[in-house]
Amino acid sequence: GDSVTQMEGPVTLSEEACLTINCTYTATGYPSLFWYVQYPGEGLQLLLKATKADDKGSNKGFEATYRKETTSFHLEKGSVQVSDSAVYFCALSLDQNFVFGPGTRLSVLP
Amino acid sequence: SQTIHQWPATLVQPVGSPLSLECTVEGTSNPNLYWYRQAAGRGLQLLFYSVGIGQISSEVPQNLSASRPQDRQFILSSKKLLLSDSGFYLCAWSVIDKETQYFGPGTRLLVL
Repeated sequence: GDSVTQMEGPVTLSEEACLTINCTYTATGYPSLFWYVQYPGEGLQLLLKATKADDKGSNKGFEATYRKETTSFHLEKGSVQVSDSAVYFCALSLDQNFVFGPGTRLSVLP
Repeated sequence: SQTIHQWPATLVQPVGSPLSLECTVEGTSNPNLYWYRQAAGRGLQLLFYSVGIGQISSEVPQNLSASRPQDRQFILSSKKLLLSDSGFYLCAWSVIDKETQYFGPGTRLLVL
């Protein structure tokens, strides 16, 4: 079946460091891809999405590019802030079937 | 604009007691609705989803049940809670052909 794999956390960075959270997927067709963010004690918020190959989603300084050839959707940010500390979920959607990765916890230290 | 509400926000219940969590969506019609559970420090587990009134699909056999009495209302229930039912319960909605899920604020349940 369809699945999403994310890098193991937790990830701890200093403020202004570069961030990459790896995400790869397996799917029987051509899914839409998403990154969600969950701040402490809250629900998930959609961070960005991409619906076809080579699309780049971006929001709040984060970006991710839909790479069909490597079945990847890595999340990147050039300079993280303390307020970016959260859990990040990669997800795919195909034919109304949603699959979430296990989540990666990011802690940004001042 | 669309909004999704969940209540209560926090709940502490004894083992063996009943449960009813409610989720309502505003600003959209005929949404797909979902219940997820998130155990402490873990990922999301899809419990139920619904594509219409009275239509419930269960992903994981357990002592929980779900009902959809109205188009934009989704209820998660249990007759007798277990310790293992503790967790963070998230409701989500999506619109057919739009592919994106939107989540509510969640209900934190602690079973003692």
